[in-house]
Amino acid sequence: DGGITQSPKYLFRKEGQNVTLSCEQNLNHDAMYWYRQDPGQGLRLIYYSQIVNDFQKGDIAEGYSVSREKKESFPLTVTSAQKNPTAFYLCASSIWGQGSSYEQYFGPGTRLTVT
Amino acid sequence: RKEVEQDPGPFNVPEGATVAFNCTYSNSASQSFFWYRQDCRKEPKLLMSVYSSGNEDGRFTAQLNRASQYISLLIRDSKLSDSATYLCVVKLTGGGNKLTFGTGTQLKVEL
Repeated sequence: DGGITQSPKYLFRKEGQNVTLSCEQNLNHDAMYWYRQDPGQGLRLIYYSQIVNDFQKGDIAEGYSVSREKKESFPLTVTSAQKNPTAFYLCASSIWGQGSSYEQYFGPGTRLTVT
Repeated sequence: RKEVEQDPGPFNVPEGATVAFNCTYSNSASQSFFWYRQDCRKEPKLLMSVYSSGNEDGRFTAQLNRASQYISLLIRDSKLSDSATYLCVVKLTGGGNKLTFGTGTQLKVEL
């Protein structure tokens, strides 16, 4: 089946630790995205990548880092510098193209709790 | 002012009712518009795109008013399974495929 996988579904960490969330897609999409969702707020873009070995900051990139070494994979690291890391993290992918709109497909998400 | 604004609800309606949601956007350079559906503690999924002429998909009708900068979603004959949060999503012109999400409107359909 084609789709996006994120693991784990639930993740618990102590404050001060870095943690890496995985995102894999087999849809052959060029573009991948990371969002976070907090209660009462819309999805906010953290980072996105249009092609392999390239990525751009989104609206709330501080305290996060990403890599895009393979087309299929776009891991997100939540660093200890992120002030409020507890959130629902969603990865998405899409075809990329200027002047057009393509559906973004989302993974099932990872709920990160930092105490 | 938020870029995309929605009434958070919840909208509690009986099964079979017709319900409508509105969404306003602030940037007149917005190019494309969508409604996504998100079930509780799940990922968002595309419900429908919104075209300038309005479009319908079964019981769902989406409309766009560029002059007033708002989008609407109408659900007819609502089902229990329609209970979810509906996210209004906007794409700016020239922004690649970057999307801006509203906070969502929660719908609860009851017996």
